[in-house]
Amino acid sequence: SYELTQPLSVSVALGQTARITCEVNNIGNKNVHWYQQKSGQAPVLVIYRSYDRPSGIPERFSGSISGNTATLTLTRAQAGDEADYYCQVWDSSATSYVFGTGTKVTVL
Amino acid sequence: QVQLVESGGALVKPGGSLRLSCAASGFRFSDSYMSWIRQAPGKGLEWLSYISYSSSSIYYADSVRGRFTISRDNAETSLYLQMNNLRAEDSAVYYCARHHTVTSGVAAFDIWGQGTMVTVSP
Repeated sequence: SYELTQPLSVSVALGQTARITCEVNNIGNKNVHWYQQKSGQAPVLVIYRSYDRPSGIPERFSGSISGNTATLTLTRAQAGDEADYYCQVWDSSATSYVFGTGTKVTVL
Repeated sequence: QVQLVESGGALVKPGGSLRLSCAASGFRFSDSYMSWIRQAPGKGLEWLSYISYSSSSIYYADSVRGRFTISRDNAETSLYLQMNNLRAEDSAVYYCARHHTVTSGVAAFDIWGQGTMVTVSP
């Protein structure tokens, strides 16, 4: 089955930049989406189509792709950014959506 | 406002059945593709199933195909998940979510409900 690999955890100092990676096999022209899930809450879409921000999401969140790795970059990290972050793609061969393993971001 | 509200979660015995509902409001439900996604305690997100706006296209994850059935009632602006032959590993919070586009290959989930808990235990 298709797998999206993320680091288990990322730590970032307050006000600094965090980068969360998502390894996507044969990324090709896949669209990668990113979600933020705070403790006890439903996920929130923060980046869609690899680069785009939904309305209401701060410009501090940005997405990029290099090779087979998608990256969610969080600049000027705030305490309120502490959450689990998940990437997601569509696996056309299996006709299913796939989520990454998830990354816990801690702001120090 | 734009909202999805799930209901129907409960404690059920292995082999039992349950029907989850998701009430939509604040957007054109009849134009939206919808999915069910679950999250076991302390685990990651797992997509389960999606249904097109007309119910003409339906897909399932391998883990639930043959046991779960997704459906919708556009007149009632509601989404459903019928779950049969439940197992302990089906214990999770179940979310309904809206696709931001009807193109499957590029769809993200832009609206989520708050989730409903299903526990499968003797």
